[in-house]
Amino acid sequence: GIQVEQSPPDLILQEGANSTLRCNFSDSVNNLQWFHQNPWGQLINLFYIPSGTKQNGRLSATTVATERYSLLYISSSQTTDSGVYFCAVEGGSYIPTFGRGTSLIVHP
Amino acid sequence: NAGVMQNPRHLVRRRGQEARLRCSPMKGHSHVYWYRQLPEEGLKFMVYLQKENIIDESGMPKERFSAEFPKEGPSILRIQQVVRGDSAAYFCASSPGGIGHEQYFGPGTRLTVT
Repeated sequence: GIQVEQSPPDLILQEGANSTLRCNFSDSVNNLQWFHQNPWGQLINLFYIPSGTKQNGRLSATTVATERYSLLYISSSQTTDSGVYFCAVEGGSYIPTFGRGTSLIVHP
Repeated sequence: NAGVMQNPRHLVRRRGQEARLRCSPMKGHSHVYWYRQLPEEGLKFMVYLQKENIIDESGMPKERFSAEFPKEGPSILRIQQVVRGDSAAYFCASSPGGIGHEQYFGPGTRLTVT
């Protein structure tokens, strides 16, 4: 099946800093989503982005499908951004595969 | 517009008991996925269902686990004779279609087996 790798596995930031999270995948995809799992465990949809670039406030994402990667940008980070960020992809089947996530801690 | 609902949010079972987890998809969504998340890990696909049909259960353990999505009512994930290794967070997601559609997740059910 399709392999998904996320980097870095852990990230510690000071409030106000910017960061880039990366998701590499091993095959062409029909779907790619970014999620934020907050400290209470809730999974929040950030972006549905099989290709191209999208922005939502301080967050933006870019997927370059031909090169098999996606990037999530967080600007002016806040403590509420803390949590785990997951990338999930669908390849040739409808079975989504999740990466292991990037754990982000933002200090005040 | 209610999101995906799961209940119970927390479930404690003794070894050997049965666990029943419920998932009500978003209004208008007829596709449901179940995932399991172990501590410090990502989500692992278990089963994909449409109304009254199991489409893909390749991620489901062969024994003790079953899932259904009846014509009326929520989707149910059933775990019989639970063991300590079943302790995990179980999430369901719904979407309006199959391949290529955005999935929306419920809050999860945290199962603890004592």
